[in-house]
Amino acid sequence: AQSVTQLGSHVSVSEGALVLLRCNYSSSVPPYLFWYVQYPNQGLQLLLKYTSAATLVKGINGFEAEFKKSETSFHLTKPSAHMSDAAEYFCAVRGTGGTSYGKLTFGQGTILTVHP
Amino acid sequence: EAQVTQNPRYLITVTGKKLTVTCSQNMNHEYMSWYRQDPGLGLRQIYYSMNVEVTDKGDVPEGYKVSRKEKRNFPLILESPSPNQTSLYFCASSLMGGVGEAFFGQGTRLTVV
Repeated sequence: AQSVTQLGSHVSVSEGALVLLRCNYSSSVPPYLFWYVQYPNQGLQLLLKYTSAATLVKGINGFEAEFKKSETSFHLTKPSAHMSDAAEYFCAVRGTGGTSYGKLTFGQGTILTVHP
Repeated sequence: EAQVTQNPRYLITVTGKKLTVTCSQNMNHEYMSWYRQDPGLGLRQIYYSMNVEVTDKGDVPEGYKVSRKEKRNFPLILESPSPNQTSLYFCASSLMGGVGEAFFGQGTRLTVV
């Protein structure tokens, strides 16, 4: 069964500092991986996706993530945090076979706080 | 505009009173699903559908029902809601093939008292 673990339920950074949100996954086959962002009182918005075309994936709002198969990781980074980045972030893996085909399995979420 | 529309956005109800949350998508997606979001647990899948008249249980199906009579609609039914179903609910849709990233509705915040 696939699973996703996000290390750190809360991350706090200063404006302009590096953002690093950690995600580790387990999957028996090469995965499709996603990062979603949820702003207060809104639905989930896709930040970026890994589809095996490239290990470094660039997304919206200056975010990027690197797929590392040896570490089963897909950490999300942004060089310089902005106040508008404050939100909850979810890492997810998509099932590719059997009854899990199409199913998204989510991590627990990481709330990012950005201080002035 | 491509979108997933859920209604209502907010709902307060009493224990045992049947309710339906509607979900509609305009992207001709085959795959639709319902998730519930609870603090510290992320999103967990309740039910999913791979196409019209094809539905199956997700990870937390107890107390819920769904139907898929048309490709665009996938309502979530709580026939006898209980307080432990107080949660934030999301409907999502995606293509079956390819990467199949999911598109999410705005969410329905349900309170059962």
